[in-house]
Amino acid sequence: SQTIHQWPATLVQPVGSPLSLECTVEGTSNPNLYWYRQAAGRGLQLLFYSVGIGQISSEVPQNLSASRPQDRQFILSSKKLLLSDSGFYLCAWSKGPHNEQFFGPGTRLTVL
Amino acid sequence: DAKTTQPTSMDCAEGRAANLPCNHSTISGNEYVYWYRQIHSQGPQYIIHGLKNNETNEMASLIITEDRKSSTLILPHATLRDTAVYYCIVRVGPTYGQNFVFGPGTRLSVLP
Repeated sequence: SQTIHQWPATLVQPVGSPLSLECTVEGTSNPNLYWYRQAAGRGLQLLFYSVGIGQISSEVPQNLSASRPQDRQFILSSKKLLLSDSGFYLCAWSKGPHNEQFFGPGTRLTVL
Repeated sequence: DAKTTQPTSMDCAEGRAANLPCNHSTISGNEYVYWYRQIHSQGPQYIIHGLKNNETNEMASLIITEDRKSSTLILPHATLRDTAVYYCIVRVGPTYGQNFVFGPGTRLSVLP
């Protein structure tokens, strides 16, 4: 069966520091991968998605970036965090005829 | 993607069926109905999806009206662990690399 991992689970970072969140999927190949952010009490906002290695599409302009160095690895990065980057970051994968997405456990980021 | 409308909150007694409605009056012929739920501080969990026929799996049943303008998610025997925010999403299914737009959803409280 397929599983999706995210780490770290929680992170507290100062403003201006760099960020690297990692997501890996097991049990499937060539999945579509997604990064979402959920602010407190709000819905999910799609940040990036990838349909293959090295292919990244950005949905919103911001100081975050994403990379897909391997088929089942998706990384979310920032060179300098802002207070507004605080939130719950979710990675998801999809594959199949109806493209239903399966989410990871999330990373809760607090920028101070 | 078509817009959906869900009640803000609902209560259900433990052991009873929970029926969660969703209106999607502008749905187009190639759009699927997906249901997800999010338990506090966890990533969203896929529940079920359908196009026009009723669907059932180990978690729930999905009833879609004949005109497809509304649907109902049924949890046949709700437990306390089913307390969560439930999201109804309508989108073109097999469209790789596109996101799910999560609205505010319905907050279901299962009461002992």
